[in-house]
Amino acid sequence: QSVLTQPRSASGTPGQRVTISCSGSSSNIGSNTVHWYQQLPGTAPKLLIYNNDQRPSGVPGRFSGSKSGTSASLAISGLQSEDEADYYCASWDDSLNGLFGGGTKLTVL
Amino acid sequence: EVQLMESGGALVQPGGSLRLSCVVSGFTVSTNYMSWVRQARGKGLEWVSAIDVGGSTFYADSVKGRFTISRDNSKNTLYLQMNSLRVEDTAVYYCARDRIAIFSWGKGTTVTVSS
Repeated sequence: QSVLTQPRSASGTPGQRVTISCSGSSSNIGSNTVHWYQQLPGTAPKLLIYNNDQRPSGVPGRFSGSKSGTSASLAISGLQSEDEADYYCASWDDSLNGLFGGGTKLTVL
Repeated sequence: EVQLMESGGALVQPGGSLRLSCVVSGFTVSTNYMSWVRQARGKGLEWVSAIDVGGSTFYADSVKGRFTISRDNSKNTLYLQMNSLRVEDTAVYYCARDRIAIFSWGKGTTVTVSS
């Protein structure tokens, strides 16, 4: 059971907008920034969003992040088949631990 | 170009020890937060340990007292010494640049703990 809670699965059709939530507490998301990763099968994770809403260079503008209080969200607009992957949120905790969410498997129908 | 290359993964018996290495190029380990993250087959990511620029170390509760993170600045290499290994430590171990907002990852090395 991860400290950061994500839905186990999400789905959408091509072109649709999908959001994935990540819920934490005052000691992690509530007082630290949130980051999002995309992981394709058999590969290392790739940073999609850092510091709540910043995109690394090369990440399409279809991906966006937000944070409010002790929760955060990743939004993917204009869903594409290649977006089918596992998505993880992450944050630091004031107890000096790194935390990952349990992961959300996104299916493009 | 930034590259991280892990090595040292192996099959080891419960209670055994292993040392993972991560040779880095394109940046300097001594001036960056460095971390280890693991992933059991079919499971999610788990943060394991980190070392900051000043040499302070941080550990997940699941490995505290058993694992030790360190670096050799002269070799630009990060290490993870793993003692008293358990079956549940079986995973792919990734070396990563930064604390939790990780821009650069290695390809991973596989640790299997089994009798």
